[in-house]
Amino acid sequence: ILNVEQSPQSLHVQEGDSTNFTCSFPSSNFYALHWYRWETAKSPEALFVMTLNGDEKKKGRISATLNTKEGYSYLYIKGSQPEDSATYLCASSDRGSTLGRLYFGRGTQLTVWP
Amino acid sequence: NAGVTQTPKFRVLKTGQSMTLLCAQDMNHEYMYWYRQDPGMGLRLIHYSVGEGTTAKGEVPDGYNVSRLKKQNFLLGLESAAPSQTSVYFCASGNGGSNQPQHFGDGTRLSIL
Repeated sequence: ILNVEQSPQSLHVQEGDSTNFTCSFPSSNFYALHWYRWETAKSPEALFVMTLNGDEKKKGRISATLNTKEGYSYLYIKGSQPEDSATYLCASSDRGSTLGRLYFGRGTQLTVWP
Repeated sequence: NAGVTQTPKFRVLKTGQSMTLLCAQDMNHEYMYWYRQDPGMGLRLIHYSVGEGTTAKGEVPDGYNVSRLKKQNFLLGLESAAPSQTSVYFCASGNGGSNQPQHFGDGTRLSIL
């Protein structure tokens, strides 16, 4: 079992603020890192899948970076909007895991106030 | 676009009753997964399948059984429900290994009294 940690547990920001949060995972034998966005009463939705050290991915105002050597990933939201309010999950896998198996962190709950 | 469909959405059971949760996907995915989500915990893998006719145990398999008789369906069974199985259950499917995103259903909220 991989220990995937996310911080902070929750975050409250004002509309227009930029914010970021962290996912930590075991760096040894790393294979892939996923970010998901999970709105209340909806299903988790994939944002990014990253595999290479130094990877940077972007979707609109949301971006993510990956450092596989030190075992962390950052998710950034630029100019937060109320519709960005959601729980952001990260998940990791290693080369020893059976194909397709992910280990999830507990999530960062983001609330953006208008 | 149906994607991943879970039925039922809500269910209340008494301790000792049995039930089956159904997950259906229309994306021709090989991989399917059942997770449970409990307060303060991340999604935890119960069972998964890497193809029709195959199943494997995840982190928390005890008290559950699964079947994948058809590629598009993945069934999760509780033979004798216990209050500890009160949870929200999510099904997901994927197009390949763990370097591919998973697609989730809307969840089934299950309460065991």
